Amino acid sequence: GDKVKQSPSALSLQEGTNSALRCNFSIAATTVQWFLQNPRGSLMNLFYLVPGTKENGRLKSAFDSKESYSTLHIRDAQLEDSGTYFCAAFNTGNYKYVFGAGTRLKVIA
Amino acid sequence: GGIITQTPKFLIGQEGQKLTLKCQQNFNHDTMYWYRQDSGKGLRLIYYSITENDLQKGDLSEGYDASREKKSSFSLTVTSAQKNEMAVFLCASSMTGGDTGQLYFGEGSKLTVL
Repeated sequence: GDKVKQSPSALSLQEGTNSALRCNFSIAATTVQWFLQNPRGSLMNLFYLVPGTKENGRLKSAFDSKESYSTLHIRDAQLEDSGTYFCAAFNTGNYKYVFGAGTRLKVIA
Repeated sequence: GGIITQTPKFLIGQEGQKLTLKCQQNFNHDTMYWYRQDSGKGLRLIYYSITENDLQKGDLSEGYDASREKKSSFSLTVTSAQKNEMAVFLCASSMTGGDTGQLYFGEGSKLTVL
């Protein structure tokens, strides 16, 4: 099965609303990264996390290594937040990052 | 800051052709990676290298070769392009190969095989 499961797989948000994306891991992960892939295909770094939380503007992310999940909260969604969000977990079993399949987010006016 | 440069950005090949993609980084990072992304899917690791002249297979190494010529550059070769293949190849680097290494990505190279 998938080692990193992202949910939801797709999401449509009204501008100005809030939402949360989630990654569940079935591997022993020590760090997590969140990326946003824009429609041109470029991957932007959003967060790099050890267990704990980080906040940057309207985005907030948490990583709980004991419960094996990470979340990304988007507050006051804007049109430019549209794209595909990926999480990647560092697998201590084989020393590689494992990516989820992504959450496709569309923010509508 | 630094940058990862991938060339070419677009590559069109013929079935059976050997095709090479190049990646340069000026972060002075130790570890470099090649990922493949198919349309609407996540990223899958092809090869990675933890230092100059090192090469490690990822989950998708069959059909590919790679070469870490120097610390700043990492090449990927598709040994025999498959007809109608279409994918984006993404190069990344990190300071270390361990869990202290944040990944940074290039802009991607889009492959189309006719």
